[in-house]
Amino acid sequence: GAGVSQSPSNKVTEKGKDVELRCDPISGHTALYWYRQRLGQGLEFLIYFQGNSAPDKSGLPSDRFSAERTGGSVSTLTIQRTQQEDSAVYLCASSLALTNSNEQFFGPGTRLTVL
Amino acid sequence: AQSVTQLDSQVPVFEEAPVELRCNYSSSVSVYLFWYVQYPNQGLQLLLKYLSGSTLVESINGFEAEFNKSQTSFHLRKPSVHISDTAEYFCAVINSNSGYALNFGKGTSLLVTP
Repeated sequence: GAGVSQSPSNKVTEKGKDVELRCDPISGHTALYWYRQRLGQGLEFLIYFQGNSAPDKSGLPSDRFSAERTGGSVSTLTIQRTQQEDSAVYLCASSLALTNSNEQFFGPGTRLTVL
Repeated sequence: AQSVTQLDSQVPVFEEAPVELRCNYSSSVSVYLFWYVQYPNQGLQLLLKYLSGSTLVESINGFEAEFNKSQTSFHLRKPSVHISDTAEYFCAVINSNSGYALNFGKGTSLLVTP
């Protein structure tokens, strides 16, 4: 079946612009996660959603970052007034449910470059 | 707070040689442990995981990892590597009572050469 998909695969933007990154989780997966990977760093957790519950936003680095998940499926991560330190690969993952042991399936990522 | 340390950023090894990729974690409560692999130009894939029970877990492609609670380690091993094992390997931890997000190490780049 189809895996997690993300778009765009690459995004180059100018400092100060807003960007939107999209994630389509695996059908039937109720939990959705966003991570980012900056050059030379491990993956950092940003936010996760479980069904219609309030998301856990504890990993968002600043109020310029926000995410929403419409209809319990597609999610959009928005970065406002981008800065050069926002340059990273943004990864989305989904899992069947929000439990510690559920395997998270990752998408291919969106590479964001802020000039 | 918990943290994950992958002690080697790069591990070069010859084909058919054994390899060990090291991972240590810090946590005051029980954890779930994972190894993810990222092959060149591909997304992250789960390689193996430890949840409970036997401390030795295996993957379908010959890798194994052993959970050592006293040493807070979850090292990944393979007795004989192939060229196709060249990839980035990430160790990750979930704390049993602090949420569902994976806490990743910085990754180890395994380069297998003939």
